[in-house]
Amino acid sequence: DTAVSQTPKYLVTQMGNDKSIKCEQNLGHDTMYWYKQDSKKFLKIMFSYNNKELIINETVPNRFSPKSPDKAHLNLHINSLELGDSAVYFCASSPINRLTGELFFGEGSRLTVL
Amino acid sequence: AQTVTQSQPEMSVQEAETVTLSCTYDTSESNYYLFWYKQPPSRQMILVIRQEAYKQQNATENRFSVNFQKAAKSFSLKISDSQLGDTAMYFCAFMKRGTGNQFYFGTGTSLTVIP
Repeated sequence: DTAVSQTPKYLVTQMGNDKSIKCEQNLGHDTMYWYKQDSKKFLKIMFSYNNKELIINETVPNRFSPKSPDKAHLNLHINSLELGDSAVYFCASSPINRLTGELFFGEGSRLTVL
Repeated sequence: AQTVTQSQPEMSVQEAETVTLSCTYDTSESNYYLFWYKQPPSRQMILVIRQEAYKQQNATENRFSVNFQKAAKSFSLKISDSQLGDTAMYFCAFMKRGTGNQFYFGTGTSLTVIP
């Protein structure tokens, strides 16, 4: 009954490979996000989708491609991985129409590029 | 653009004592929310407390309370009776309501509770 779940939790791969991280939320929220947390713990927004439509696309290399097949899922695909992509990636969702609108986070996916 | 500033990268507090974490923000919006999130070593992001900008009353959640100064754009978190489990990174966040709520995070404050 996890609210926001992302898989895999850990990912170790070689430079140049392509990898995907999947995210699903069962909260009925309209908006989903991908955040990157670097080694200094700084949280940076990467993408935001509202009802499958891309609404935030920060300055992120085009090697990163989000895909939202429906409003409960937001996957992140990364091509040609680089050392600097090593980080923890958080998926999150938010209920846009509710007054509180807090972010609900997944547990994070730690990506290590060797 | 909205910015959120946490000027204390690291703090420590003795168990059972009180500590205050600072946060300031910059915005021209009138309709927004403020949050404090906690990230323990397990890395899970946990909501600690929220504050609606239109409410003058400071939010409280058990041992956690905020001092919200709207004119000064300040939103500090006070933790009373600190416990070892409070050791974590604490992030202040600003949310602008709109098409897809937009969240902006501070750089975090690492809090250590000393036994």
